[in-house]
Amino acid sequence: DTAVSQTPKYLVTQMGNDKSIKCEQNLGHDTMYWYKQDSKKFLKIMFSYNNKELIINETVPNRFSPKSPDKAHLNLHINSLELGDSAVYFCASSQQQYNEQFFGPGTRLTVL
Amino acid sequence: DAKTTQPPSMDCAEGRAANLPCNHSTISGNEYVYWYRQIHSQGPQYIIHGLKNNETNEMASLIITEDRKSSTLILPHATLRDTAVYYCIVRVKYGSARQLTFGSGTQLTVLP
Repeated sequence: DTAVSQTPKYLVTQMGNDKSIKCEQNLGHDTMYWYKQDSKKFLKIMFSYNNKELIINETVPNRFSPKSPDKAHLNLHINSLELGDSAVYFCASSQQQYNEQFFGPGTRLTVL
Repeated sequence: DAKTTQPPSMDCAEGRAANLPCNHSTISGNEYVYWYRQIHSQGPQYIIHGLKNNETNEMASLIITEDRKSSTLILPHATLRDTAVYYCIVRVKYGSARQLTFGSGTQLTVLP
């Protein structure tokens, strides 16, 4: 059984388009996260939701908007995609904000 | 969160113990040491964490010095599948929402 799943695994799109990445966890966790890993392999937190409420919002352009319809899902919507948005995006979850995080397989976004 | 220093790369022979060092000289009394790893093209994976006592689980052992300024992750019998980037992270566990801050990690290569 997949603990944290993301769709799609690969996403290739043109500049200016709007796209979404979906994340689901079946671990019963109450906290979910989005991370971005750039071409230099640095992994940075973008957002964190606890019980569907935003608790961490790092310096991320307003074009990125997370949506948590319920505790098991945290989707990432990106408007007006730019070349610099090309990266691998990882979703993660944890039981409460302080415990170990479980990561999804990642979504490789390529903006042309 | 305290910063950590890790060697950029290490090699280890298959079947031997892999000892990965981490310096965290500015660690605070309430900060834990966490280790994650990222196998190529996969999401990061939690390994172990500790405060001041040595810890062991099915994956690894964590040795923290008495002054807590450094620690060592030990993979007792490294296999080829342990080849990955290993991240040492220090963070507060309780009291406030603290995200994982990933550094550049150590690329461990297990050689046949």
